[in-house]
Amino acid sequence: GENVEQHPSTLSVQEGDSAVIKCTYSDSASNYFPWYKQELGKRPQLIIDIRSNVGEKKDQRIAVTLNKTAKHFSLHITETQPEDSAVYFCAAIPLGQGGKLIFGQGTELSVKP
Amino acid sequence: GAVVSQHPSRVICKSGTSVKIECRSLDFQATTMFWYRQFPKQSLMLMATSNEGSKATYEQGVEKDKFLINHASLTLSTLTVTSAHPEDSSFYICSARLAEETQYFGPGTRLLVL
Repeated sequence: GENVEQHPSTLSVQEGDSAVIKCTYSDSASNYFPWYKQELGKRPQLIIDIRSNVGEKKDQRIAVTLNKTAKHFSLHITETQPEDSAVYFCAAIPLGQGGKLIFGQGTELSVKP
Repeated sequence: GAVVSQHPSRVICKSGTSVKIECRSLDFQATTMFWYRQFPKQSLMLMATSNEGSKATYEQGVEKDKFLINHASLTLSTLTVTSAHPEDSSFYICSARLAEETQYFGPGTRLLVL
C-alpha cells in the first residue's frame, strides 16, 4: 500500500524567512496530494493541493511542487508569519482506493517573531 | 466549504465502558466517511472507511469488533469504542467525502478513558 514519508519533523524559522517541507510517496498510482495545516486540538485544514498532471501550484505565500518521476512533493511557505506556526501534514490519495488519505508524519513549524 | 460535525467534542469514560461518537455531514450527503485516530504529537492514522448501507472497511491492525462503525444514513456515521481501555484514549477525527478527492474533516472528539 501507499506510504508517505515527511521531513523534517520539526522546523524553526525566523519571521519573514521561507520554510520548506518535503514528502515522498511510494505508490506511483497516487494522483492527488493535499497539504493540511493543523493547529493544536483542531481539525486539519486543507491549505493547498496538487494533482499528478501538474508540476507546481501557487497560492499567495504557499506553493507546492511535484516531481512524479522521483515521487516526491514539497510545500514552500514564503515570508513566514507567526500565525503560520502549526503542524503541517502532507498526504496522498492512492488511485482506486475509495479516496482514503494516507498522511505523512507531520512537521511542526515554529515561526519566531 | 462543507460542514462536518462531531459529537461529543470531548468524553471521559471509565475503563470497560463503551463510547459512541457521531459524525454528521450537515449540508451534503456523504456515501463515504473516514475515521482517523491521532495520538499526541503523531499523525492521523486511518482506522476505517465507512460506506453508507454496507460494512465498513477496516485498515490492517484495527479491530473491527472493538471499533464498531455504522453508516446508516447519507449524513451520519457512528464509531463505537467498545470496552474502552486507557490505551484507547486519543483524538478521533472523522471526515466526509464530498467528491472524488474532496473530503471535509470534523472537529474531532477527544476521548479519555480512566
